[in-house]
Amino acid sequence: QKEVEQNSGPLSVPEGAIASLNCTYSDRGSQSFFWYRQYSGKSPELIMFIYSNGDKEDGRFTAQLNKASQYVSLLIRDSQPSDSATYLCAVSPFNKFYFGSGTKLNVKP
Amino acid sequence: ETGVTQSPTHLIKTRGQQVTLRCSSQSGHNTVSWYQQALGQGPQFIFQYYREEENGRGNFPPRFSGLQFPNYSSELNVNALELDDSALYLCAGLSAGGTGELFFGEGSRLTVL
Repeated sequence: QKEVEQNSGPLSVPEGAIASLNCTYSDRGSQSFFWYRQYSGKSPELIMFIYSNGDKEDGRFTAQLNKASQYVSLLIRDSQPSDSATYLCAVSPFNKFYFGSGTKLNVKP
Repeated sequence: ETGVTQSPTHLIKTRGQQVTLRCSSQSGHNTVSWYQQALGQGPQFIFQYYREEENGRGNFPPRFSGLQFPNYSSELNVNALELDDSALYLCAGLSAGGTGELFFGEGSRLTVL
C-alpha cells in the first residue's frame, strides 16, 4: 500500500467550474498535509497546507481534512486554464514527507 | 524564485557509475530534503538533513547517501547506478517559519544508460 493515494486523472473541467481533487493517506501519525501544484517541466510549488480537521480557505482554493477517514481534498473554484497542472498531495509524519503520484487537471477554455 | 539552486541540471551516466548532485540555498534553510521523481510519478522522499545530520529517511537503499555542510548546502550521492535510477532529483529547503512548506530547486535530471 502506498503512503499517499491519488487518482491520476486526467480530470477535465470547463473554465469557471469547480475542480475537486482527492487524496487518501495511510500513516495515522501524519500531522501536516499539503497540496502542491506542478506545471510540466517545473518543480512543485505550495498551494495550501492544513493541519486541523475541517476546511481551510485561501482565495479560490479550499483544503479539507478528515483525519478519521485519512482523507484530504482540494477544491478549486472558478477554475482557470492557468490552473491546468498536476496537483500533488503530500503528508508529513515526523521528519518525512510522502507525496502522491499526482492528479493531472485540465481546465478547458 | 525559491532561492534553492541545484547542479548540474542534466547529466548522463552509465550503469555502475557513481554520481554526486549538489544543492545550495540562498535563504540558508537548515533543513534540506532530497526527492526522486520518476516520469509521471510524484516525488519520492529519499532523506532529510538537519544541522548536518540525517534525521529522516525513506525507502531507499544505502547506496543513496548524503551530506549537509555548515553553510547548509547539501549533496546527494548515488553509488552503483542502476537503470531505474534515471529520474529527476529534487532538493528542497524547509521553511523556517513552521508551516512545513518545502522550497524546491529546479532539479537535476539524471539519465542512466
